Amino acid sequence: KAGVTQTPRYLIKTRGQQVTLSCSPISGHRSVSWYQQTPGQGLQFLFEYFSETQRNKGNFPGRFSGRQFSNSRSEMNVSTLELGDSALYLCASSSRQGSGNTIYFGEGSWLTVV
Amino acid sequence: LAKTTQPISMDSYEGQEVNITCSHNNIATNDYITWYQQFPSQGPRFIIQGYKTKVTNEVASLFIPADRKSSTLSLPRVSLSDTAVYYCLVGDINSGYSTLTFGKGTMLLVSP
Repeated sequence: KAGVTQTPRYLIKTRGQQVTLSCSPISGHRSVSWYQQTPGQGLQFLFEYFSETQRNKGNFPGRFSGRQFSNSRSEMNVSTLELGDSALYLCASSSRQGSGNTIYFGEGSWLTVV
Repeated sequence: LAKTTQPISMDSYEGQEVNITCSHNNIATNDYITWYQQFPSQGPRFIIQGYKTKVTNEVASLFIPADRKSSTLSLPRVSLSDTAVYYCLVGDINSGYSTLTFGKGTMLLVSP
């Protein structure tokens, strides 16, 4: 069974630009969540989508947005990039069924803002 | 929200058993405890999950005392390839992803 796939793996953007990151969940998983990881702040939850609806949202500004498609694939977008947005962006998927669900992470997308 | 605390770093030698403890004093009734391993430039990899008592799989064991205010990840006979950052995660996604609390991670360095 293929794992969570994220594209692109690495990218460099300029301040003020926008970026779109893509995530394909594990087959059968309908929940996709996004996280930002930085050395200073650690892993922080951005948002979660389930059945094309945002179900949970972390404490990030509105420049961070996402969506989920009918095939459960998800994208996140960051507009008006700032230097502080440089981070590893992780996508994770889960079946969200039953108790003790596990979230499985992808390899991440490294974003550098210059 | 359950706040988690882990040691920042630990050192070990090949072949030794390593125990990493995570404190989560205000864990909620529905929360599960999950441990992940992360190598540089990679996403966290699931190791083990538990709710109470002891859980064992092919790579690790997880010990959770009755009060569930802490948990200990046990790695038997570590090798150099176990050098990584280990994260404990407490929460229950059915209660909402905002309940998930990641520890700051423990950097484990295994030496020959």
